[in-house]
Amino acid sequence: AQKVTQAQTEISVVEKEDVTLDCVYETRDTTYYLFWYKQPPSGELVFLIRRNSFDEQNEISGRYSWNFQKSTSSFNFTITASQVVDSAVYFCALSEASGSARQLTFGSGTQLTVLP
Amino acid sequence: DAGVIQSPRHEVTEMGQEVTLRCKPISGHNSLFWYRQTMMRGLELLIYFNNNVPIDDSGMPEDRFSAKMPNASFSTLKIQPSEPRDSAVYFCASSLGDYTGELFFGEGSRLTVL
Repeated sequence: AQKVTQAQTEISVVEKEDVTLDCVYETRDTTYYLFWYKQPPSGELVFLIRRNSFDEQNEISGRYSWNFQKSTSSFNFTITASQVVDSAVYFCALSEASGSARQLTFGSGTQLTVLP
Repeated sequence: DAGVIQSPRHEVTEMGQEVTLRCKPISGHNSLFWYRQTMMRGLELLIYFNNNVPIDDSGMPEDRFSAKMPNASFSTLKIQPSEPRDSAVYFCASSLGDYTGELFFGEGSRLTVL
């Protein structure tokens, strides 16, 4: 069975600090996909990134970067120079096999608060 | 472009009443998902439609819950009769196909059953 653990329930940082959100996953499949979603105060979840298990290259998108390490079954998310608008709940998710959206397993989420 | 539209945004009802939540997916998306979010259980998939056909309803809690998708632009999730433990935020999400994992979520319907 697949499982996603986000051990950090809440994180609070001051604006411009870097922050890393941890995600550890469990799966028996060799083919799987990892995701991050953001849930701002408005409520809707917003897709951020999808990575497959065969691509361990780190991804950078502006102030966001993701570190995928199969050896430790982790897919961590770093925000550089955080801003107040980054305040949200961030979810890591996993799907096995074809990356089917219906097979997504979400972690419990990390509430990030960025203080001005 | 319009995103996924859900209504109502907030619903307060009394135990035993019927509740109907509505969803309009993004035009052109052929997969639709209903999720429930609670503090205790996090995000749970309730049901998944593909091309208007229910494919997987294994997450529907019990017979009090039902979902329909009469056409590609509309879906409902109905709870009858409602109970206090049904209080949650219900999300509708749509995607183009089933296989990308990139879901587009609505803003959710917050249900409170007294």
